[in-house]
Amino acid sequence: QKEVEQDPGPLSVPEGAIVSLNCTYSNSAFQYFMWYRQYSRKGPELLMYTYSSGNKEDGRFTAQVDKSSKYISLFIRDSQPSDSATYLCAMRPAGINNDMRFGAGTRLTVKP
Amino acid sequence: NAGVTQTPKFRILKIGQSMTLQCTQDMNHNYMYWYRQDPGMGLKLIYYSVGAGITDKGEVPNGYNVSRSTTEDFPLRLELAAPSQTSVYFCASSSLGVLETQYFGPGTRLLVL
Repeated sequence: QKEVEQDPGPLSVPEGAIVSLNCTYSNSAFQYFMWYRQYSRKGPELLMYTYSSGNKEDGRFTAQVDKSSKYISLFIRDSQPSDSATYLCAMRPAGINNDMRFGAGTRLTVKP
Repeated sequence: NAGVTQTPKFRILKIGQSMTLQCTQDMNHNYMYWYRQDPGMGLKLIYYSVGAGITDKGEVPNGYNVSRSTTEDFPLRLELAAPSQTSVYFCASSSLGVLETQYFGPGTRLLVL
């Protein structure tokens, strides 16, 4: 079993749709949870990060963490063609910045 | 700021050849990392450094070496290239602190034939 599981997709939605991206994990020591966006042939860029459980909202993006279920989500409201990219979840224990674990990424296409 | 820069963007190597992947950051970050990204797999940490002169192995270090003589530079060395090292390599950096996260370079695509 992988430490971090992420459905690779691909996921295709029409413009304006609400997108839900998810990851599950097995290591209860993970405390920091990140979502990265990666455009084709580019490096990942940090989209959002949260600490422990709860929700965090930033514009059209909402990140949710449910530590009891070991499940994290990223919601994109009013999706745009410019949101088309691969979304990587990542997580790490507190205080250990080198021990990041990444999901395989979900490829999202938003069609005009 | 340029952020994290990597060279070259793309390289083809023959089996047994060696090369150095260059990485430079201009954010004065203490921490630097090398990852590889393979299709269908998450990013895997190869090596990391917490400051000049200090490096340590990550999850998949075999076949690679690193050095860190300055805060800005963190080159990755492949000594005897193998087809299994065909991948996309990303360098990243972060500042010292538990809440800081990593900033990635644009990547180097390496093909070993």
